[in-house]
Amino acid sequence: GENVEQHPSTLSVQEGDSAVIKCTYSDSASNYFPWYKQELGKGPQLIIDIRSNVGEKKDQRIAVTLNKTAKHFSLHITETQPEDSAVYFCAALEGYKLSFGAGTTVTVRA
Amino acid sequence: DTAVSQTPKYLVTQMGNDKSIKCEQNLGHDTMYWYKQDSKKFLKIMFSYNNKELIINETVPNRFSPKSPDKAHLNLHINSLELGDSAVYFCASSPGQGAYNEQFFGPGTRLTVL
Repeated sequence: GENVEQHPSTLSVQEGDSAVIKCTYSDSASNYFPWYKQELGKGPQLIIDIRSNVGEKKDQRIAVTLNKTAKHFSLHITETQPEDSAVYFCAALEGYKLSFGAGTTVTVRA
Repeated sequence: DTAVSQTPKYLVTQMGNDKSIKCEQNLGHDTMYWYKQDSKKFLKIMFSYNNKELIINETVPNRFSPKSPDKAHLNLHINSLELGDSAVYFCASSPGQGAYNEQFFGPGTRLTVL
């Protein structure tokens, strides 16, 4: 089955700086890679996703890149703000099953 | 207005008891899921139903039994609760299965087994 590894587990950044979270996956058949943000006491919420036929996607301050050959994908948050503080999960879809990374706790320091 | 709702939000119970968690979605989605999030925040799929049909059944003890009375509801019944069942359980739904189907998560049910 799919195995998704996510790094780092915690990330502290100064407000205004960038944050980068990296994930790797094991199953070359995986074709969809969403990123979820989970705020304290809430369920995860999709923030951006990328399909296997696309190398990069951007939505305002958030961007995701995918390297299918290396089986890597990354989340980039620019100009971080306090409200970006949360736990971020990467995921990979194998068939009908979404496998999640272990999560990255991002803290944005004011 | 709530898209995916779960009840109860908190559940505290003794070992050996039987409990149920209910989930409802008003998005008109065909597919619903149950996830377990442990104390280390690791999120793992337990079950998935598509149009009331069981699609995914991960390696979950058979003390856990999902039931989907209709497309909008997916309930989770747990028998003989154990300490290790303590976790946050999330229900989710998506328009369909497979790629490009965003999963919408409920607010979670925090289960504590004493």
